[in-house]
Amino acid sequence: LAKTTQPISMDSYEGQEVNITCSHNNIATNDYITWYQQFPSQGPRFIIQGYKTKVTNEVASLFIPADRKSSTLSLPRVSLSDTAVYYCLVGPSGNTPLVFGKGTRLSVIA
Amino acid sequence: SQTIHQWPATLVQPVGSPLSLECTVEGTSNPNLYWYRQAAGRGLQLLFYSVGIGQISSEVPQNLSASRPQDRQFILSSKKLLLSDSGFYLCAWSVGTEFFSSYEQYFGPGTRLTVT
Repeated sequence: LAKTTQPISMDSYEGQEVNITCSHNNIATNDYITWYQQFPSQGPRFIIQGYKTKVTNEVASLFIPADRKSSTLSLPRVSLSDTAVYYCLVGPSGNTPLVFGKGTRLSVIA
Repeated sequence: SQTIHQWPATLVQPVGSPLSLECTVEGTSNPNLYWYRQAAGRGLQLLFYSVGIGQISSEVPQNLSASRPQDRQFILSSKKLLLSDSGFYLCAWSVGTEFFSSYEQYFGPGTRLTVT
């Protein structure tokens, strides 16, 4: 199971672009990179998933360099409602379950 | 579209009492189903998962059990609750032929359980 490392917390002002980087040095060939968002007292919400290069949807972009040892979740022009915990997960090589770490607590300030 | 329901939303139970939490999924067939628990300020802990009716796998041995009586119904139970069972219980579903072939899971609204 690929271990991930991400910052414990980040602060940002409204309207700024936020980039959260996740390190996963031992990512396996079959692994995908998946990001979830969790608001207080709610279940995690799937945001985006990618394998390589760049993936973009209506919520975020995911940048993955060629070596795939890290990835960056990019949130454009954040608002107060983007305040949440963001989790980076790598898998599922070896048919292993999701393991949510402590994630990155993003606080958006007015 | 698919939706997932959990009830009750909140629950306060005394130590030693039984527990039954229910989760149902709509809009999909033969989903993989999961029960997680999140203690205050902690990460999610996978408790049980199921790939089909009557098929339950346990990740953590404890006084909880799970059942899947119907394709889209997943139940979490306990005969006697402990204080340590307090937490936020989440049900989730995914599709795929293997248990964790997809890391794209969809979570329900959760049940906040307080054992007193």
